[in-house]
Amino acid sequence: QVQLVESGGGVVQPGRSLRLSCAVSGFTFSLYGMHWVRQAPGKGLEWVAVIWYDGSNRYHADSVQGRFTISRDNSKNTLYLQMNSLRADDTAVYYCVRDSSTALGPFDYWGQGTLVTVSS
Amino acid sequence: QLVLTQSPSASASLGASVKLTCTLSSGHSTYAIAWHQQQPEKGPRYLMKVNSDGSHNKGDGIPDRFSGSSFGAERYLTISSLQSEDDADYYCQTWGNDIHIVFGGGTKLTVL
Repeated sequence: QVQLVESGGGVVQPGRSLRLSCAVSGFTFSLYGMHWVRQAPGKGLEWVAVIWYDGSNRYHADSVQGRFTISRDNSKNTLYLQMNSLRADDTAVYYCVRDSSTALGPFDYWGQGTLVTVSS
Repeated sequence: QLVLTQSPSASASLGASVKLTCTLSSGHSTYAIAWHQQQPEKGPRYLMKVNSDGSHNKGDGIPDRFSGSSFGAERYLTISSLQSEDDADYYCQTWGNDIHIVFGGGTKLTVL
């Protein structure tokens, strides 16, 4: 069955960096677009970034543009989110999400999430 | 601007039916949307995609109690025979060719 398992979350000081990983299994990773979505405590869902199935295109939300970078390694079935210059308002649960298409479409599988807390 | 609007809350009794609404912003009435369920303390789960013609495609293992429909710029999620585990937050999501990926604010459904 499809599984998405995030890791790499934790407590980090403002201004520092963190890299999240998402290991996938149960489907052919190289055929699907992938996203990161976050949810601040007690808040709704916010889209963060998308990467095309082959890594040829990637886009980031304005709120993280220039600080976060999405990437993937199709040989390792792994999605990444490099987060630099972290701020307190980046505190959230970060979800790895599969797109149902090669690029943009409805999200059809979610990971369980990893919590990132930015605090001094 | 692509925006999805949802009522913040809804409630219905155990065993009854409820219809949740997601409204697309002006100029975007032909867009498809997806519905996602988030039970307390859990990650979201994909329920279905709803097209502008009212057709819908459900995710793996989603019970027949869940169905989707459309009218104009509104997209609906109907849950029948409500069960306690349906007590959850429900989010709609859409996507545009200009890489505009949007979530609605979510509806908190309380099963009484």
